[in-house]
Amino acid sequence: DAKTTQPNSMESNEEEPVHLPCNHSTISGTDYIHWYRQLPSQGPEYVIHGLTSNVNNRMASLAIAEDRKSSTLILHRATLRDAAVYYCILRDASGNTGKLIFGQGTTLQVKP
Amino acid sequence: DTGVSQNPRHKITKRGQNVTFRCDPISEHNRLYWYRQTLGQGPEFLTYFQNEAQLEKSRLLSDRFSAERPKGSFSTLEIQRTEQGDSAMYLCASSLSGQEFLGGTEAFFGQGTRLTVV
Repeated sequence: DAKTTQPNSMESNEEEPVHLPCNHSTISGTDYIHWYRQLPSQGPEYVIHGLTSNVNNRMASLAIAEDRKSSTLILHRATLRDAAVYYCILRDASGNTGKLIFGQGTTLQVKP
Repeated sequence: DTGVSQNPRHKITKRGQNVTFRCDPISEHNRLYWYRQTLGQGPEFLTYFQNEAQLEKSRLLSDRFSAERPKGSFSTLEIQRTEQGDSAMYLCASSLSGQEFLGGTEAFFGQGTRLTVV
């Protein structure tokens, strides 16, 4: 499974945008980039995923570099509830299991 | 549907005892996964079911661990002769197969069962 690299931790102020980076230099052509987050004492929850084009949903935006070797999860206005561990995961579209391989993720702290 | 449900939420057991956890997935989901998470680490994949068939097991799943999904609905994870190293959060997730060419469908996780082996 292709590997991702994320900073261990980041801080943000409430109501400001947050850009969470992820490097995946060994990404293959069939790998989708998925983001999940894990709030304290909860299981992970899906945030967003994409292949090549930038993606937006109600939770966040995903910006994918043209060479696909990196991506950035964007929270447009961080709230205290966004404090969580964010995981960037590569999922092979040619695979047929749907299992997720988590790294250590980025712990996001949001300051009031 | 209230999402993925796991029971119990917490379990304290003595070393050497057997424990069993239950996961009730979202009712229409045919895929079910078990993960283990220790403090400060991301979840680690343990095993995967499609309907009642166990299709993949991680090397992490020693012979003391067994998982079942007898009717393709709920699943159980049993740990025999527990060891202190088994202390962790055990997470269950479910999803629908299909749409792989669109990146697959999202996985829904339960809140987990926290196991403490003393």
